[in-house]
Amino acid sequence: DTAVSQTPKYLVTQMGNDKSIKCEQNLGHDTMYWYKQDSKKFLKIMFSYNNKELIINETVPNRFSPKSPDKAHLNLHINSLELGDSAVYFCASSQDQRGTSTDTQYFGPGTRLTVL
Amino acid sequence: DAKTTQPTSMDCAEGRAANLPCNHSTISGNEYVYWYRQIHSQGPQYIIHGLKNNETNEMASLIITEDRKSSTLILPHATLRDTAVYYCIVRVRGTYKYIFGTGTRLKVLA
Repeated sequence: DTAVSQTPKYLVTQMGNDKSIKCEQNLGHDTMYWYKQDSKKFLKIMFSYNNKELIINETVPNRFSPKSPDKAHLNLHINSLELGDSAVYFCASSQDQRGTSTDTQYFGPGTRLTVL
Repeated sequence: DAKTTQPTSMDCAEGRAANLPCNHSTISGNEYVYWYRQIHSQGPQYIIHGLKNNETNEMASLIITEDRKSSTLILPHATLRDTAVYYCIVRVRGTYKYIFGTGTRLKVLA
């Protein structure tokens, strides 16, 4: 069984379109994340939700809007796509262990977004 | 604003130990060292983490210097499947945030 899954795996779209990427985890974790990996392979956190509450919101254009319908899902909606949005987007999850030493993040397989 | 520095790339012969260094000279007392790897654009995979003591699990060993300013990840018997980019990350205890650096591209040679 896949622990963290993302759909779609590949997404090719035109500039200006609106698209969504979905993420689901079946690990029972409280916290979920979105990361962006650009063409230089640099991996950077975008958002994090804990129990459906936004807790990390990095400097990301407001065209990007995460939505967490429940703690097992964190979707990423992108409006007015631009060429620079082309990247691989990874979803991750972890148990809420802020008070302890362990915070292992489990990553999904990624969604490769190409904006033409 | 990564807090770690790693060599860009390394080679290792199959069957040999791979020793991957990481410098984290500005690490604070409540910050953990984590290691992840990413195999060919798959999602990053957790390997090991530690605070100040050396750690070992089924995948690897983590050696942290006494002053905690650097650490070494050891893959005891590298295989071709260990070819990947290895990231050393410092995380503040009590926060969710990982800051990934540029990582070390390890190539295991047959």
